[in-house]
Amino acid sequence: DAGITQSPRYKITETGRQVTLMCHQTWSHSYMFWYRQDLGHGLRLIYYSAAADITDKGEVPDGYVVSRSKTENFPLTLESATRSQTSVYFCASSGDIEETQYFGPGTRLLVL
Amino acid sequence: AQSVTQLDSQVPVFEEAPVELRCNYSSSVSVYLFWYVQYPNQGLQLLLKYLSGSTLVKGINGFEAEFNKSQTSFHLRKPSVHISDTAEYFCAGSNTGGFKTIFGAGTRLFVKA
Repeated sequence: DAGITQSPRYKITETGRQVTLMCHQTWSHSYMFWYRQDLGHGLRLIYYSAAADITDKGEVPDGYVVSRSKTENFPLTLESATRSQTSVYFCASSGDIEETQYFGPGTRLLVL
Repeated sequence: AQSVTQLDSQVPVFEEAPVELRCNYSSSVSVYLFWYVQYPNQGLQLLLKYLSGSTLVKGINGFEAEFNKSQTSFHLRKPSVHISDTAEYFCAGSNTGGFKTIFGAGTRLFVKA
């Protein structure tokens, strides 16, 4: 089906482990984004990408790494997970920076 | 600093009553404004957006918002809410050519029978 998907939907990991969250979109949108959602903070931008091989930091990038070798995929890696990275992570895409962002269903990550 | 402020964290309202969810923004994020809705355990969906032109913007599900430059506000309104409108609502803003959309902290709307 067309759209934007995230995997896994739920993940439990331990402090210090590496975790990769996957994001895939089928619209060939140029722009992709990773946000984290925490109570009282709304959504905060972690990283964004304007095209394949072009990425840049958002508001809260520390502890995260992204890559974008293909237009349709935008994985987010937590190099060494910490409890403060327990959150709900949303991936989004848009065709143009002025256009609507389309959000995936989210990944709930718990770091023990 | 760029900011989007949602003035109410929770808004309880009875079914069929009108509702207004308030949003103020700093002038540095004033160019494009959005309202998104998030239903439980789902991602965000766009309700409406203001890019330019008419200051009254109509969106899906009977919602509308008014861009007020002098008051730096973009309040969301609906004349008669339904139980199914219970959700969290996010106001957001971004600049021309800006890659960073700033989201407010969210307003949780509770519609009671």
